[in-house]
Amino acid sequence: QPALTQSSSASASLGSSVKLTCTLNSRYDTYIIAWHQQQPGEAPRYLMKIEGSGRYKKGTGVPDRFSGSSSGADRYLTISNLQSEDEAYYYCETWDSSSRLFGGGTKVTVL
Amino acid sequence: EVQLLESGGDLVQPGGSLRLACVGSGFIFSTYDMSWVRQAPGKGLEWVSSFSSTGGNRYYADSVKGRFTISRDNSKNTLYLQVNSLRAEDTAIYYCGRVGLEDSIDTWGQGTAVTVSS
Repeated sequence: QPALTQSSSASASLGSSVKLTCTLNSRYDTYIIAWHQQQPGEAPRYLMKIEGSGRYKKGTGVPDRFSGSSSGADRYLTISNLQSEDEAYYYCETWDSSSRLFGGGTKVTVL
Repeated sequence: EVQLLESGGDLVQPGGSLRLACVGSGFIFSTYDMSWVRQAPGKGLEWVSSFSSTGGNRYYADSVKGRFTISRDNSKNTLYLQVNSLRAEDTAIYYCGRVGLEDSIDTWGQGTAVTVSS
C-alpha cells in the first residue's frame, strides 16, 4: 500500500513563499495526490490534485497563490505571497482501488 | 452550490452505537463515490470507509472493520455510517467527503462529533 510523508511544520514571513512536500514511498511514486487545507476549527478544504508529471488542477475558488508541482516521488504545494489566512494545517491524500490515505499533515505558521 | 451536511454525532458510552448521516445537495448524489474520514482530537485525518457509486462496493479501514457499516440511500441523497462497539479511540469528528471526478475528495462536510466516554 502507498504511504505518505509530510514534514510536521513549516514557517515563512507574510508576503513570502513556502513550499510543502508530500513524499510517496518509492514503489508508488507515480501516484496522484491531492492537497487539503484545514484552518483552525474548520473542516478541511480541497485545494488541488497533482499528477506525477507535475500537472495539477485546482479546486473551485482556490486562489492563484496556490500552485502544485512534482519531482519523482515528491509532490509539492507552493503558497506564494503568503497571507495570514494561510496559517493552517495542510494534508496530502492518495488512494488506490480499495482505500484512501492521508499524510500526517504540515502546520504552516505565518511569521 | 455543492454541500454536505453531517448529523448524528453524540456522547456515547463504550460499547455503544450511533448512526451518522450525511446529506448531499447541489449535485447528483447517486453518481459519486462517497467517503467517511475522521479526526481525533489534536490529530490528523484518518480515512474510515468508502462506498462506490457503481457496483455497491464498500471499503473499510482495518481499525473499524467489523464494527462500522457504510450505506447510502440515493433516493434521499444520504450517506450513512453505522458505528457499533464504540471504543474511546473512536472519539473524533467524523467528516463526510465526496469523491470527485479527479478521484480525490473534492468536497467536505462540516463534521459531526462522536465522543466515547463513560
